Amino acid sequence: GENVEQHPSTLSVQEGDSAVIKCTYSDSASNYFPWYKQELGKGPQLIIDIRSNVGEKKDQRIAVTLNKTAKHFSLHITETQPEDSAVYFCAASIYSGAGSYQLTFGKGTKLSVIP
Amino acid sequence: DGGITQSPKYLFRKEGQNVTLSCEQNLNHDAMYWYRQDPGQGLRLIYYSQIVNDFQKGDIAEGYSVSREKKESFPLTVTSAQKNPTAFYLCASSMVANTEAFFGQGTRLTVV
Repeated sequence: GENVEQHPSTLSVQEGDSAVIKCTYSDSASNYFPWYKQELGKGPQLIIDIRSNVGEKKDQRIAVTLNKTAKHFSLHITETQPEDSAVYFCAASIYSGAGSYQLTFGKGTKLSVIP
Repeated sequence: DGGITQSPKYLFRKEGQNVTLSCEQNLNHDAMYWYRQDPGQGLRLIYYSQIVNDFQKGDIAEGYSVSREKKESFPLTVTSAQKNPTAFYLCASSMVANTEAFFGQGTRLTVV
């Protein structure tokens, strides 16, 4: 099955600096890569996603890049703010047969933005 | 107010008892999912359902059961066969498979 590795597990940055979180996946058939933000005690919320036919996608201060050849994708947050502090999860989706897809998640990165 | 609702937020049960976690969505989504989250771990898939009256096992289905009798509802039962049931349980739904998944606020289950 699919395996998703996420690094780093914790990340501290100064307010205003950039943060980068990297993920690798094992199955070249994966075709959908979402990123989720989870605040303490809450459910994850989608912040950006990318499909395998696109190399990069931006939404204001957030961007995701995908390298299909190397099987890795990264989340970039620029001009970080204290409210960006949370746990971030990457995921990879693969077709599992009979019209079904499964999302496999990385173990998460705890981002702390220091004012 | 559309969304996905999990209840209760906190649940305590004695060891050996079955317990059912509720998940309801009014987003008219076909697909629904149950994940388990442990400290420092990612989300692990327990069960998923692409359509009413059909569901498949995920990576860690042992000790769990589900039903999908209505499009809006996907309850999860944690049985006494689950060896380590204490965890944070998350339900999600998506319009169709392989699209954005919306998560509920989770249920924290503690078995004593």
